[in-house]
Amino acid sequence: DTAVSQTPKYLVTQMGNDKSIKCEQNLGHDTMYWYKQDSKKFLKIMFSYNNKELIINETVPNRFSPKSPDKAHLNLHINSLELGDSAVYFCASSQDQLAGYGEQYFGPGTRLTVT
Amino acid sequence: AQTVTQSQPEMSVQEAETVTLSCTYDTSENNYYLFWYKQPPSRQMILVIRQEAYKQQNATENRFSVNFQKAAKSFSLKISDSQLGDTAMYFCAFMKPSFSGNTPLVFGKGTRLSVIA
Repeated sequence: DTAVSQTPKYLVTQMGNDKSIKCEQNLGHDTMYWYKQDSKKFLKIMFSYNNKELIINETVPNRFSPKSPDKAHLNLHINSLELGDSAVYFCASSQDQLAGYGEQYFGPGTRLTVT
Repeated sequence: AQTVTQSQPEMSVQEAETVTLSCTYDTSENNYYLFWYKQPPSRQMILVIRQEAYKQQNATENRFSVNFQKAAKSFSLKISDSQLGDTAMYFCAFMKPSFSGNTPLVFGKGTRLSVIA
């Protein structure tokens, strides 16, 4: 069974389009994250949700909007896609730190290419 | 804000040899967690090893071990008996503990390791 899954794994689209990436975890974790990995492989946090509530919102353009319908799902919607949005987007989840190390489990990533 | 520095963009090692990847970090926190993640060409992020800052004993996981020097803020990864499957990007990561939900990982820029047959 896949612990953290993302769909789609590859996404090719044109500038100006709107697209969504879905993430689901079956680990029973309370916290979920979206990270962006740029072309130089640098990973940076975008958003963090704890029990469906937004905890962290880094300096990300308003065109990016996360949505968490329940604590097992965290989706990422991107409006008006730009060339600079091309990257790999990773979803991750973790258990409450008080219950463990808080180590994060990552999904397989979604490679977004904007043309 | 915390920062993580990996000063070796690329490294290579012969199969069966030992290699050490460097990582330093900057923080004013006294308690925190440190991790090494591996990202093979499949791009999956895989946890290799973790260390709690309050533990003096260095973590070990099979062929992987760390040298944690808290005063020097150094957290290097040693891979013994390197195997071809160890070829990957390796990321050092820092996490600050929180009692109000988890905090995100702060990553270094990564070291690309190539194991040569």
